[in-house]
Amino acid sequence: GALVYQYPRRTICKSGTSMRMECQAVGFQATSVAWYRQSPQKTFELIALSTVNSAIKYEQNFTQEKFPISHPNLSFSSMTVLNAYLEDRGLYLCGARDEGQANSDYTFGSGTRLLVI
Amino acid sequence: GDSVTQTEGQVALSEEDFLTIHCNYSASGYPALFWYVQYPGEGPQFLFRASRDKEKGSSRGFEATYDKGTTSFHLRKASVQESDSAVYYCALGDQVTGNYKYVFGAGTRLKVIA
Repeated sequence: GALVYQYPRRTICKSGTSMRMECQAVGFQATSVAWYRQSPQKTFELIALSTVNSAIKYEQNFTQEKFPISHPNLSFSSMTVLNAYLEDRGLYLCGARDEGQANSDYTFGSGTRLLVI
Repeated sequence: GDSVTQTEGQVALSEEDFLTIHCNYSASGYPALFWYVQYPGEGPQFLFRASRDKEKGSSRGFEATYDKGTTSFHLRKASVQESDSAVYYCALGDQVTGNYKYVFGAGTRLKVIA
């Protein structure tokens, strides 16, 4: 079946430093990857959508300068949180889907929980 | 833009009570609708989906029916258990400016007391 793994599961970084998180798709081709953030006690906000061989589209309030994303092939994506501060803490979720499959849904990983101290 | 509204922020029930969590959506297209469940410290788990009017999705005793007329996808369960305590998210998937994206509701925290 289709699975998405995210690592690390949890991480702590010092304020002002950066943190890279990874997303691995297994059992399908991740032509499209969506990165979400869930801040404490809140819902899931879309950060950006990445399609292989196409430009990454960032949502309002999120920028490439703050959340650079790499999506080099059909099974892997990574995102870095640059200069992390307290407001960046939360659960970062990766979802992937195969656009070549009709009516395909996103498969989500378990998330990377970021704590900033 | 697209949006999902969950009316209840928190619901407290006793075991074997009937559950309803309301979900209404607004979308420019004809979205797919989803329910996800999130347990503490974990990512959201897919419960079920529906993609056309009057279609019913169901899983683990939970169910919801896609209603295009009322733009709703209310979650129901006939008899809840303590293990159902979690946060439930309604979501829609829609094609927006050439990209397929999900929009999540604010979530409803369910607490079931034994």
